[in-house]
Amino acid sequence: ETGVTQSPTHLIKTRGQQVTLRCSSQSGHNTVSWYQQALGQGPQFIFQYYREEENGRGNFPPRFSGLQFPNYSSELNVNALELDDSALYLCASSFAGVAYNEQFFGPGTRLTVL
Amino acid sequence: KNEVEQSPQNLTAQEGEFITINCSYSVGISALHWLQQHPGGGIVSLFMLSSGKKKHGRLIATINIQEKHSSLHITASHPRDSAVYICAFSPGGATNKLIFGTGTLLAVQP
Repeated sequence: ETGVTQSPTHLIKTRGQQVTLRCSSQSGHNTVSWYQQALGQGPQFIFQYYREEENGRGNFPPRFSGLQFPNYSSELNVNALELDDSALYLCASSFAGVAYNEQFFGPGTRLTVL
Repeated sequence: KNEVEQSPQNLTAQEGEFITINCSYSVGISALHWLQQHPGGGIVSLFMLSSGKKKHGRLIATINIQEKHSSLHITASHPRDSAVYICAFSPGGATNKLIFGTGTLLAVQP
């Protein structure tokens, strides 16, 4: 059983650019959630995908968008990058349908916007 | 006011000490999670509980639903326990998102 993986591990972009972050879910999981963690803060929920459809969204602007693929891997896209987008981006996979389902986190992608 | 509050924010202990980290939340929840985050970012789930108490090795988590309060205890602390410990809850509903606290930075000195 493979765990949750994310790529890349680190990324440096400049303001106004676009970025795509990737996440491979743990084997057997059909739900992926994305979180943004600013330095010194707890993670903040961006959105969740279940069976390739967005299944809930946090307080993030539309320039944050995502995809989930048939193999349940996922992408987070951020357009028009701003300095405040610099953060650790975490994805977490889980299996919907089980009560109180546990989430399994990837190692994160550290994004720096200059 | 944050929906989940943790205390203390920072904690320094000597090896072998008994450690308690507290978490209070203000809304109804379907489950309470305790997670561990090491420098570099990776988050590991320690406990998920909706009532009572759970134990795993030297770690114990308790929850009081009526008081909306949970505690994480570490017995016989060790320097390798040094990490950020984060409390989070699932509000329930169609999305099993987590609402996180800001974490407690624990340093255990030898």
